[in-house]
Amino acid sequence: GAGVSQSPSNKVTEKGKDVELRCDPISGHTALYWYRQSLGQGLEFLIYFQGNSAPDKSGLPSDRFSAERTGGSVSTLTIQRTQQEDSAVYLCASSWGQSSGNTIYFGEGSWLTVV
Amino acid sequence: AQRVTQPEKLLSVFKGAPVELKCNYSYSGSPELFWYVQYSRQRLQLLLRHISRESIKGFTADLNKGETSFHLKKPFAQEEDSAMYYCALSVKAAGNKLTFGGGTRVLVKP
Repeated sequence: GAGVSQSPSNKVTEKGKDVELRCDPISGHTALYWYRQSLGQGLEFLIYFQGNSAPDKSGLPSDRFSAERTGGSVSTLTIQRTQQEDSAVYLCASSWGQSSGNTIYFGEGSWLTVV
Repeated sequence: AQRVTQPEKLLSVFKGAPVELKCNYSYSGSPELFWYVQYSRQRLQLLLRHISRESIKGFTADLNKGETSFHLKKPFAQEEDSAMYYCALSVKAAGNKLTFGGGTRVLVKP
């Protein structure tokens, strides 16, 4: 595709429900990132996948958050038992690899509202 | 751990005036520094990186290792520069993941 694609673009869910957010990276990109953009909190790193290596999960805020990447391409971020503080824009990004010279491209984000 | 600080949450300037967005970082090694921009209703995109030493849309940024700063400057702001700007840092040891500052909203008034 032309860019990083995320779905849904908007999601309203009830507190306590589980949600899944999907990311389609740019074709051929081996690195994939999830970030969270909250009002007043800036951009917060969540998790990073690089090829077949074990993901860097150091940014996940709690064990309610998990992510997987199937076949080295599509990724799903899952939030279990959502809380109101989970409301944010969840951004996915991808790049060719982990070299610092590779530009990271962002998707438009999935806006999650927990009511 | 690395950290990026953008002390100004909002900068309001008139068209044609200079604008400078401050960015300070903390990291003991040699990081890569970036500025990302998010225009209204658009996705976050790379504006410039320090290793390129280039000017993009009239913006420049110089890495000052002594002061651990990477301030973004433009001598004559335009209305289309109104956006959210994020300073970011990446370190080789942590893959290519970016650590972002809190962002500065720039409003250029006519």
